[in-house]
Order: sequence, then C-alpha cells, then structure tokens
Amino acid sequence: GQNIDQPTEMTATEGAIVQINCTYQTSGFNGLFWYQQHAGEAPTFLSYNVLDGLEEKGRFSSFLSRSKGYSYLLLKELQMKDSASYLCAVIDSNYQLIWGAGTKLIIKP
Amino acid sequence: GAVVSQHPSWVICKSGTSVKIECRSLDFQATTMFWYRQFPKQSLMLMATSNEGSKATYEQGVEKDKFLINHASLTLSTLTVTSAHPEDSSFYICSARAGETEAFFGQGTRLTVV
Repeated sequence: GQNIDQPTEMTATEGAIVQINCTYQTSGFNGLFWYQQHAGEAPTFLSYNVLDGLEEKGRFSSFLSRSKGYSYLLLKELQMKDSASYLCAVIDSNYQLIWGAGTKLIIKP
Repeated sequence: GAVVSQHPSWVICKSGTSVKIECRSLDFQATTMFWYRQFPKQSLMLMATSNEGSKATYEQGVEKDKFLINHASLTLSTLTVTSAHPEDSSFYICSARAGETEAFFGQGTRLTVV
C-alpha cells in the first residue's frame, strides 16, 4: 500500500531550529510537497522537491532523498507564527496526491 | 484522520465537453469544502470555498461560470469544468472540514483535455 509517515506533534522554542521528517512508500514518485496549515485555514504552499537535494527559501528549507523515500522540512529562527500543522504530500505515478497526516508544531516562548 | 474521497482520480475528455468531479466526506459532515488547482511544480491554488447550502465564494481570477461548484449536502461537493479546453488540464484537489477544524484532502483528480 501507499504510506506517508510524519510525526504527529513536535515542540520547539522560539528562535530555535526544528526539522520535520517525512518518509514515504508510494507507487512511483512525481514530486513531494510541503504545506503549512494554520487551524481553520486553507493550507499554503511551502516547497516542492522532485530532485534529490536541499531547496532553501528564506527561513524554510526542504530536503529530498528519492532513494531513501525521505524528506525533511527545516525551519530556522522559529517565530510564534510558525505554530501550525505541516503537511507532507507525494504525487505518485498515477498523479494521485498522497497526503501525510500532518505534524502539529508547537512553538514555545 | 477523517476520510475525503474524490472521484474520478483520472479523467480524459474532449475539448468542449464538461467534466464533473465529486468530493465526498465519508465519515464526517463537511460544512466547508475547498477546491484547488495545481499546475506542475507550482503551488496549490485555491479556486473557491463552498459552504453547504450556499453559493461558492470564488477567488479572484477564477471564472465561476466555467468552474461550477455545488455543495448541496454536508457530505458532497461537485466541481464541474464546463466547456473544457486543453489549458484546463490540471490537477484538481478538494478538501473538506467540519466547522473550524483542520481540513482533510481528497486524493486529487488529474484532468487531461484533448
């Protein structure tokens, strides 16, 4: 079957760095997305990886290893507004979007 | 988590025809449903938000007469792409939520217009 695993919840301190991991087993691979979702709001796009390596965008970076079926989202200089759920999603060979359950990130002062 | 089922997952249609995509919440009542469109390597674009029993609210730049949204019940919303053209080929995704809870996503529908 198809599966995406990510931690249910993580806690970090304001100003620190946190890494949210995502592992996947899917039938084929056409890209991996990370989204941020605040409670009660629609998700917003953070990153897209289709090739191995690290993609950096300001405070957020995303890494992909296709051979390992692994990705992580790295958040630096954490701010209170970064408290949200972070969703990992993979597009498989049939272009179906397979979603992880999301990681709830709690930022403490 | 809650289950949102989207159907079909893959559809090919001829230019000028209409295509209907269904989004169902299987184990909860979805007071709000969101419809998104995603082009390859681009961000998820919110097209419209629909609340059960009322007209959908469309985002700026989305043609409401072309993308008809019906949210007639608490478990079903449909998106109909009318008079589809090749430029409408895309990946359409729905999500649903109950009240102010987090939204759960469907599997997506890949539409190819030939």
